[in-house]
Amino acid sequence: QKEVEQDPGPLSVPEGAIVSLNCTYSNSAFQYFMWYRQYSRKGPELLMYTYSSGNKEDGRFTAQVDKSSKYISLFIRDSQPSDSATYLCAMSSPQGAQKLVFGQGTRLTINP
Amino acid sequence: DAGVTQSPTHLIKTRGQQVTLRCSPKSGHDTVSWYQQALGQGPQFIFQYYEEEERQRGNFPDRFSGHQFPNYSSELNVNALLLGDSALYLCASRRQGTEAFFGQGTRLTVV
Repeated sequence: QKEVEQDPGPLSVPEGAIVSLNCTYSNSAFQYFMWYRQYSRKGPELLMYTYSSGNKEDGRFTAQVDKSSKYISLFIRDSQPSDSATYLCAMSSPQGAQKLVFGQGTRLTINP
Repeated sequence: DAGVTQSPTHLIKTRGQQVTLRCSPKSGHDTVSWYQQALGQGPQFIFQYYEEEERQRGNFPDRFSGHQFPNYSSELNVNALLLGDSALYLCASRRQGTEAFFGQGTRLTVV
């Protein structure tokens, strides 16, 4: 079993829809949670960085962490065609803070 | 701020050869990590350097080695290349206790 599981998709939604992306994890030591966006043939770009449980909002993006369920989510409101990319969840523990453990990535397409 | 820069952008090597990839961290960052990303997969942690020493290592063979220089830049060396080493190699930098920022990667093709 992988430490971090992420549905690879692909996921295709119409412009303006609310998108929900999710990851589950098995390592209870994870306390730092990140979402990265990766365009084709580019490096990952940090979108959200959260610590422990709760919600964090940044513009159209909301990151949610539920440590009791070992489940994290990223919500995108008013989705735009420019949001079309692969979204990667990543997490780390205080002990292994230098090592990010990534999910497989979800490929998202927003259709105009 | 130039961000994290990696060179070269693309590289083609033959099986059995050796390759060196380079990374310059974001200004103010002192820690560099390397990741391997196979097509359709998430990045996999190779190792991390801080204060010119390897601090943590992922599940990669000794063919993968690295170095960090006094100016915090870093190199990743891979010996005896295999076809399976073909991937996007990503460098990430950070200051201690902050989030990591990634470069654009080096796409390595082994033929």
